[in-house]
Amino acid sequence: AQKVTQAQTEISVVEKEDVTLDCVYETRDTTYYLFWYKQPPSGELVFLIRRNSFDEQNEISGRYSWNFQKSTSSFNFTITASQVVDSAVYFCALSEYSGGYQKVTFGTGTKLQVIP
Amino acid sequence: DAGVTQSPTHLIKTRGQQVTLRCSPKSGHDTVSWYQQALGQGPQFIFQYYEEEERQRGNFPDRFSGHQFPNYSSELNVNALLLGDSALYLCASSLQTLAKNIQYFGAGTRLSVL
Repeated sequence: AQKVTQAQTEISVVEKEDVTLDCVYETRDTTYYLFWYKQPPSGELVFLIRRNSFDEQNEISGRYSWNFQKSTSSFNFTITASQVVDSAVYFCALSEYSGGYQKVTFGTGTKLQVIP
Repeated sequence: DAGVTQSPTHLIKTRGQQVTLRCSPKSGHDTVSWYQQALGQGPQFIFQYYEEEERQRGNFPDRFSGHQFPNYSSELNVNALLLGDSALYLCASSLQTLAKNIQYFGAGTRLSVL
């Protein structure tokens, strides 16, 4: 069975600090996809990044970077020089084929508060 | 290009009642997934519709049912509402039900059961 664990429930940082959000996943499949979403107070989940199980290259997009390590089943997300606008709940998700169709499992989320 | 739209935004019901939530997918998308998000929790998968049929289902009772129309829009129906059904219901759309596909979410319907 697939499972996503985000052990950090809440994190508070002061603006301009770097912060890393952890994500650990479990799956029996060799082909799968990992996602990060941001959920601001408005409620809509906003897609941030997708990574497939065969691509372990780290990715950087502006102040955001992602570290995928298959050996430890982790897909961590780092925000550099955090800003107040980064305050939100962040979800890690695992997508697999199940019975021929997509099945997505979300973690419980990490609430990030950036203090000015 | 309209994104995923859900209606209504908020809904208040009493125990035992029935409710219908609606979702219009992003233009060009043909797959709709529904999630329940309780306060402080991650989204829990309810079911997924593709080609007007339920293709995947999470661990939700039969009180939760759905439908997908030929224009790909979808409805989520919940019968015999319980207090525990109070949550944010999120709809996500994607193009085909492939594991690699990105799901795009609507802003959700906040359901309160009194």
